[in-house]
Amino acid sequence: SAVISQKPSRDICQRGTSLTIQCQVDSQVTMMFWYRQQPGQSLTLIATANQGSEATYESGFVIDKFPISRPNLTFSTLTVSNMSPEDSSIYLCSVEIWDSSYNEQFFGPGTRLTVL
Amino acid sequence: KQEVTQIPAALSVPEGENLVLNCSFTDSAIYNLQWFRQDPGKGLTSLLLIQSSQREQTSGRLNASLDKSSGRSTLYIAASQPGDSATYLCAVPFSNTGKLIFGQGTTLQVKP
Repeated sequence: SAVISQKPSRDICQRGTSLTIQCQVDSQVTMMFWYRQQPGQSLTLIATANQGSEATYESGFVIDKFPISRPNLTFSTLTVSNMSPEDSSIYLCSVEIWDSSYNEQFFGPGTRLTVL
Repeated sequence: KQEVTQIPAALSVPEGENLVLNCSFTDSAIYNLQWFRQDPGKGLTSLLLIQSSQREQTSGRLNASLDKSSGRSTLYIAASQPGDSATYLCAVPFSNTGKLIFGQGTTLQVKP
């Protein structure tokens, strides 16, 4: 398994500002992901955070709005830029851990963002 | 395109009941299936992972089954307790990329 921490755990922000969310893992992992969970909804993948290269974004998400950094194998950040109330969500990072023949994903505790 | 569906969306039961949560997926070529638990406003806790070659997995009072041919998985919770109240999500990876496709979840309330 993996122990994942996120900072901040929650924040209330004004529209037009930006927030950077940090994700720290207790072991080196190849694959890290960022998900968004809008109120009352399930999780949607924003992007795959690649170490040493640009993140890979899913349809509907762009780098200008959600820039991602992955400086090493244990850390990643997600920035929510130029925020609007529609960005109010829980943002979660996850990692994929391989154990012999199968892979399993583990999630951080999430960052609850409210945009006024 | 893989789609994951969970029914029911919500479930309320008295304490002590055995219950079944359902998850279905449209593309049977999955590598594995994971069940997660999410408490309100919190992150996800991995409960069980079933590999594509397995039929079921058990952890304590939880038992998850997988039938790839019919595109279904069930999560069985025995002797439910109020502490089991949470949202339960199932997810399958897109191809073998690690990207997870989630169902909408089943919100469970167990009444004392």
